[in-house]
Amino acid sequence: EVQLLESGGVLVQPGESLRLSCAASGFIFSSFGMNWVRQAPGKGLEWVSGISGGNTYYADSVKGRFTISRDNSKNTLYLQMSSLRAEDTAEYYCAKEGAGTDTGTHRDWGQGTLVTVSS
Amino acid sequence: QLVLTQSPSASASLGASVKLTCTLSSGHSTYAIAWLQQQPEKGPRYLMKVNSDGSHTKGDGIPDRFSGSSSGAERHLTISSLQSEDEADYYCQTWGSGIRVFGGGTKLSVL
Repeated sequence: EVQLLESGGVLVQPGESLRLSCAASGFIFSSFGMNWVRQAPGKGLEWVSGISGGNTYYADSVKGRFTISRDNSKNTLYLQMSSLRAEDTAEYYCAKEGAGTDTGTHRDWGQGTLVTVSS
Repeated sequence: QLVLTQSPSASASLGASVKLTCTLSSGHSTYAIAWLQQQPEKGPRYLMKVNSDGSHTKGDGIPDRFSGSSSGAERHLTISSLQSEDEADYYCQTWGSGIRVFGGGTKLSVL
């Protein structure tokens, strides 16, 4: 059974940095693309960043401030967030992609971790 | 620019059927999309992938009441025999050149 467990969400002040983690189990972690998706309070889903093979991708809203990475030896996905803004306040989910022709789909999701940026 | 458009809300009666629509932006009508469900206070759940030819593959455990179809740039999610637990937000999602895109979501009310 695929399990994704996010952690690291806390209350931070604007301009501060934070690192989120997503511990994965139940599948061969290194074989799948992984993504971070966020949801601001009362709003819809917003793709934040993805990593597949050796490539990383970012939404324009976070480019230059956030860095996605993974440690395949620890089956863990990370999101390093810097220069945080109030508009980054959201529930952050990690999501595992499908394989083959299902690459790009978000097949499995974690339960989320809440990041609040406020002074 | 790759954009997905969804109606903000929809409603249907208990036991009836409803068809939700997700429209791909101009120039992207051949893209596949995925449908996701988010029940109140829960995380998203993958429902299915819908291809441009209307074929679809569902996620594990998704009931037969859920089906997908396509027409041009539109991708549809049909839910039949509506149940109270189907009241949720439904998002479509697509991908291309490394980026992933979500539609704005449709809030489905079951009356």
